Amino acid sequence: ETGVTQTPRHLVMGMTNKKSLKCEQHLGHNAMYWYKQSAKKPLELMFVYNFKEQTENNSVPSRFSPECPNSSHLFLHLHTLQPEDSALYLCASSQDFAQPWATNEKLFFGSGTQLSVL
Amino acid sequence: KQEVTQIPAALSVPEGENLVLNCSFTDSAIYNLQWFRQDPGKGLTSLLLIQSSQREQTSGRLNASLDKSSGRSTLYIAASQPGDSATYLCAVRGSNAGNNRKLIWGLGTSLAVNP
Repeated sequence: ETGVTQTPRHLVMGMTNKKSLKCEQHLGHNAMYWYKQSAKKPLELMFVYNFKEQTENNSVPSRFSPECPNSSHLFLHLHTLQPEDSALYLCASSQDFAQPWATNEKLFFGSGTQLSVL
Repeated sequence: KQEVTQIPAALSVPEGENLVLNCSFTDSAIYNLQWFRQDPGKGLTSLLLIQSSQREQTSGRLNASLDKSSGRSTLYIAASQPGDSATYLCAVRGSNAGNNRKLIWGLGTSLAVNP
């Protein structure tokens, strides 16, 4: 148990559906991340939130919409996805993104949501 | 642009063997390097983090080394066990301005330890 919980674990959706992925962390961290993991590709950082403010958006299509209501919760709202968006979506947290130089800086990951877009 | 390569892509060994996983990176201007473990269909667990000023880090049967000048890191697993079967990923954080806060990831080495 890493202290980062993601729901649902699996999700199948059509291209016209709207769904949301949820992430919750119980570690008291201030930074939360969304990553996409596709087969045969390195992990792709999608979004970073630090103290509830979005600090990174790595050219992610607008059909992915993040929301961070507080430092413990992170959502990824999905709409009109494409089949190539099928992947494992991972949430992570760390103490503070603004201070990545700390010697104890580590990322803690959830188990991910395996998304299939039909 | 930083690139991280992990060799081999897959490895199968009998239980009890000592083994080495390799990670290489093209830009030696890194701040730190991390090794992660990922079980099938699961998230990642951080194993070891090596700062650029360090040469190695150890945790139990795991030892990670870093040679920044040659752009290489190795993860040594002693007396491997079936429970070590997983994918091992390497990620580096650059020290230059710009993208220096982002982790650049390798594709991982898929390890199978056979009883």
